[in-house]
Amino acid sequence: RKEVEQDPGPFNVPEGATVAFNCTYSNSASQSFFWYRQDCRKEPKLLMSVYSSGNEDGRFTAQLNRASQYISLLIRDSKLSDSATYLCVVNPENTGFQKLVFGTGTRLLVSP
Amino acid sequence: EPEVTQTPSHQVTQMGQEVILRCVPISNHLYFYWYRQILGQKVEFLVSFYNNEISEKSEIFDDQFSVERPDGSNFTLKIRSTKLEDSAMYFCASSEAPLTGNTEAFFGQGTRLTVV
Repeated sequence: RKEVEQDPGPFNVPEGATVAFNCTYSNSASQSFFWYRQDCRKEPKLLMSVYSSGNEDGRFTAQLNRASQYISLLIRDSKLSDSATYLCVVNPENTGFQKLVFGTGTRLLVSP
Repeated sequence: EPEVTQTPSHQVTQMGQEVILRCVPISNHLYFYWYRQILGQKVEFLVSFYNNEISEKSEIFDDQFSVERPDGSNFTLKIRSTKLEDSAMYFCASSEAPLTGNTEAFFGQGTRLTVV
């Protein structure tokens, strides 16, 4: 089983749509979870950390289900500028907190 | 806004040559990392560095690779005897604390290494 698994997409949605991405991770001891965004041929940039209670940042909502080892990202009212690849990222607890494990990413295309 | 800077942005080298990729982390950060991304694939961890020594490395980071912090600002990745499969985007990153909870890893723009 891959350490971090995501549907690669692409997800094609119209502007204004709501879209959700899912991610599963294999290491049950993992402690820290993130969503990063990566534009084509650019560096990853932190979108948001994911907390056990779930958290929201504007149009973005992240949720964590530790029992199912499942992370989600919900984007409401999609904008053209949201077109990017969304990376699910986990810091496995047993690595001394010095390593991020990336999923392959889910590509989002928002069209007019 | 402080940023991680990497040079060069693109490096072309012949197979078997040595390359040095350079990074200037954010000035008050203490933890440094190298990641790589082969075209079309996921971002992969190579190495983390703290207090002037490697704190963790992946299976990819074998004897062909080395890192150094030669002065107070630069952090370099050296790849000896490059192979075609070393062609990738190499990202340097830094953080002010270990990567837990709220701590963000800031990534540089990357160096695209092409081995021919």
